Amino acid sequence: SQKIEQNSEALNIQEGKTATLTCNYTNYSPAYLQWYRQDPGRGPVFLLLIRENEKEKRKERLKVTFDTTLKQSLFHITASQPADSATYLCALVGTGRRALTFGSGTRLQVQP
Amino acid sequence: GAVVSQHPSRVICKSGTSVKIECRSLDFQATTMFWYRQFPKQSLMLMATSNEGSKATYEQGVEKDKFLINHASLTLSTLTVTSAHPEDSSFYICSARAQGTQYFGPGTRLLVL
Repeated sequence: SQKIEQNSEALNIQEGKTATLTCNYTNYSPAYLQWYRQDPGRGPVFLLLIRENEKEKRKERLKVTFDTTLKQSLFHITASQPADSATYLCALVGTGRRALTFGSGTRLQVQP
Repeated sequence: GAVVSQHPSRVICKSGTSVKIECRSLDFQATTMFWYRQFPKQSLMLMATSNEGSKATYEQGVEKDKFLINHASLTLSTLTVTSAHPEDSSFYICSARAQGTQYFGPGTRLLVL
């Protein structure tokens, strides 16, 4: 069956460190993968999209990698700040589908 | 990025009543919108795909007669929860596609007493 797996345990790091979140998927062949941020009681906010022919993408302090062989995406936040504390969701579109399917999300807590 | 709004942001209703949630794309037109539901500490689950001018497509296990979707214009989709029950209490989020990606509304918290 198709699965999108993210570490369900919260990730706690110190301010200034790099946070690395993992997204693994099974039985998908996505053309692209997306990362979203969700704060409590709010809708997801789009962060980055990476295509299957892109190994890495950056946006300010964010970096995403996409390894279609390993079926894995890594999401990095460098120089993390307490304001980065949120739940981060990876999402992709399955074959023949139009809507995004989401992983369970990983909660990041950045300690000052 | 594109902006999607939802109204109301929060609603409390009595069991057996119907509740309508509006989703609007503010600065773009959306022929397709998506409705998701999120229970506490869980991820977003797709309920249905709303198509402008035609019937919505529902995911397996989602009752189409209970969750009525109307997409009457290119900027508005509505979700009506009919005969709501406490188990329908959840966070409902709509989404629309623009510029190659999906943008989400702020969500509607529904509490059925």
